[in-house]
Amino acid sequence: EAGVAQSPRYKIIEKRQSVAFWCNPISGHATLYWYQQILGQGPKLLIQFQNNGVVDDSQLPKDRFSAERLKGVDSTLKIQPAKLEDSAVYLCASSHWGERDNEQFFGPGTRLTVL
Amino acid sequence: AQSVTQLDSHVSVSEGTPVLLRCNYSSSYSPSLFWYVQHPNKGLQLLLKYTSAATLVKGINGFEAEFKKSETSFHLTKPSAHMSDAAEYFCVVSENAGGTSYGKLTFGQGTILTVHP
Repeated sequence: EAGVAQSPRYKIIEKRQSVAFWCNPISGHATLYWYQQILGQGPKLLIQFQNNGVVDDSQLPKDRFSAERLKGVDSTLKIQPAKLEDSAVYLCASSHWGERDNEQFFGPGTRLTVL
Repeated sequence: AQSVTQLDSHVSVSEGTPVLLRCNYSSSYSPSLFWYVQHPNKGLQLLLKYTSAATLVKGINGFEAEFKKSETSFHLTKPSAHMSDAAEYFCVVSENAGGTSYGKLTFGQGTILTVHP
C-alpha cells in the first residue's frame, strides 16, 4: 500500500511571496489533514477535510492560508503572502472516517523556509 | 477540550537500559491515546494506540504503554533501548464523544530520546 505523498520536500521563499504544497492521500482514505509543525513543537492541525468538504479549519489563518481538496482526493495548501513565522514543516495525513481509533498516516512533510 | 503534556523535553539513556517517556493528558470525553515516533527527516510513524480496550498496549519495536485513568497518564516504556530508538516521540490524544472519533489529534510538545553506546 502506497503511503501519503507530498511535494515538494523542501521550499525556500522570500517573505511576501506565495507558495503551494501538494498532498496525495492513501487510496480510499476519506479524511485528509494538514498540520503545521514549527521547530521544537508538536504538529498543530490547520485544516481537516472529509471527502471534499471542510470539517475543521478553526486554526487556519484564513487571511493568508487557503486549502482545497477538489474531487475528494488530492489536496493543495497555499500561503499568500508568506511571513517569517510560517517557516515550519507542513505535514499531510489521511485516515478512514468513522473508525474510533482514528489512526492517521502521515506523509514525509514539506519543509518551508521563509527568508 | 483536550490537551497533552509530555513531562520531559529530552531523555538520555544508555543502550540496553530501560526507556521511560512520560505523558499526561486531559480530555472531556473518553479519549483515544497514541504514541508517534519521528526520525530525522522522516514522517511520523504510529508506535501504538489505546482505544478503551486493554489498558496495557503493546506496540512496534518492543514499546508498550499503560493507560492509567486515575492518574490521567499514558507513559511509554521499553525494557532495553537500542541505538535505532533515538528519535523524537509524541504523545497524542483524540477525543471520542459519543463513541465516534472527531478525528482531531492534539499533540504533545515531543520528547527527544538520545541513546548512548
